[in-house]
Amino acid sequence: NAGVTQTPKFQVLKTGQSMTLQCAQDMNHEYMSWYRQDPGMGLRLIHYSVGAGITDQGEVPNGYNVSRSTTEDFPLRLLSAAPSQTSVYFCASSFRQTTTDTQYFGPGTRLTVL
Amino acid sequence: AQSVAQPEDQVNVAEGNPLTVKCTYSVSGNPYLFWYVQYPNRGLQFLLKYITGDNLVKGSYGFEAEFNKSQTSFHLKKPSALVSDSALYFCAVRDPPDKLIFGTGTRLQVFP
Repeated sequence: NAGVTQTPKFQVLKTGQSMTLQCAQDMNHEYMSWYRQDPGMGLRLIHYSVGAGITDQGEVPNGYNVSRSTTEDFPLRLLSAAPSQTSVYFCASSFRQTTTDTQYFGPGTRLTVL
Repeated sequence: AQSVAQPEDQVNVAEGNPLTVKCTYSVSGNPYLFWYVQYPNRGLQFLLKYITGDNLVKGSYGFEAEFNKSQTSFHLKKPSALVSDSALYFCAVRDPPDKLIFGTGTRLQVFP
């Protein structure tokens, strides 16, 4: 199993550009989520999904969209990038929709918005 | 809302000495608590969790954590630190029904 994969590893955007961060898992996990990691602030939940076709907002959802058309994929879309979205983004998944299960994290995408 | 606090940005310890990384929590209802570790340029890895039962939880790489309800704490411990334990450690708490809330992280530095 590849586990949780994220692409790209690095990305530089200009303010106002849009892009999609890709996340995929091959473990047949129901639950998937996106976090951003910023110095001194730890990990903050952006959006999450408890199954295909179901998504919900986390702590910091503004400026981001998600969809979950398949169990395997959970892309994160930046609609109009802003410098405040410069961060490291992590995707995570777990087997069941309850968050008592172990979360498996991808390697991260480092995004810089100029 | 559920929350966790990690009061130390960094913990320094000599190799071979015991280590403690602190975490306190604030929850309504039963706490579900976790520790994760992040090595440089990597994603987070699960270490251990407390759901119910024994207050001393054993996890990966020789780590353990003690759940203390009266002090609302869930400190991570290891009897003998290794240089390879140097990493960023995160405490997390379940925010029902479907969210996991992380602390700000503590950097552990183990010196030879």
